[in-house]
Amino acid sequence: QKEVEQDPGPLSVPEGAIVSLNCTYSNSAFQYFMWYRQYSRKGPELLMYTYSSGNKEDGRFTAQVDKSSKYISLFIRDSQPSDSATYLCAVGRRGGNKLTFGTGTQLKVEL
Amino acid sequence: ETGVTQSPTHLIKTRGQQVTLRCSSQSGHNTVSWYQQALGQGPQFIFQYYREEENGRGNFPPRFSGLQFPNYSSELNVNALELDDSALYLCASNGGGLNYGYTFGSGTRLTVV
Repeated sequence: QKEVEQDPGPLSVPEGAIVSLNCTYSNSAFQYFMWYRQYSRKGPELLMYTYSSGNKEDGRFTAQVDKSSKYISLFIRDSQPSDSATYLCAVGRRGGNKLTFGTGTQLKVEL
Repeated sequence: ETGVTQSPTHLIKTRGQQVTLRCSSQSGHNTVSWYQQALGQGPQFIFQYYREEENGRGNFPPRFSGLQFPNYSSELNVNALELDDSALYLCASNGGGLNYGYTFGSGTRLTVV
């Protein structure tokens, strides 16, 4: 079993839709949770970073962590064509030295 | 714009050859990590350097080695290249400690033929 599971998609939505991206993880030792966005031929770009259960909002993006279910989500409101990218969830341990990534979900927002 | 710079952007090597990839960390960041991202996969941790010392290693063979220099720039060396080494190699830096806000470079696309 992979430490982090993520549906690879692809996910196609119309412009303006609310997008929900999800990951599950297997180890309760993970305490840091991140979402990265990766455009084609680019490196991952940090979108959201949290270390607690609950919601964290930044503009059109909301990250949600449920440690009891080992489930993390990213919501994108009013999605735009420029949001078309691969979204990677990543987790880390307190005091650890590496991030463990999901496989990434490919998102396409269509006009 | 990212503060992490990687070179070269693309590289083609023959199986059995050796390759060196370079990374210039974001200013003020003393920790650098290297990741391998195969097509359609998430990045996989290779190793991390902190103040010029290796600070953890993923499940990669010894032919993957690295260096970090006093200015915090870094190199990834891969010997005896195999076809499966074809991937995007990413360098990430941060300020160390519990800050997991890694800044990634755009990567080096390595193709082994």
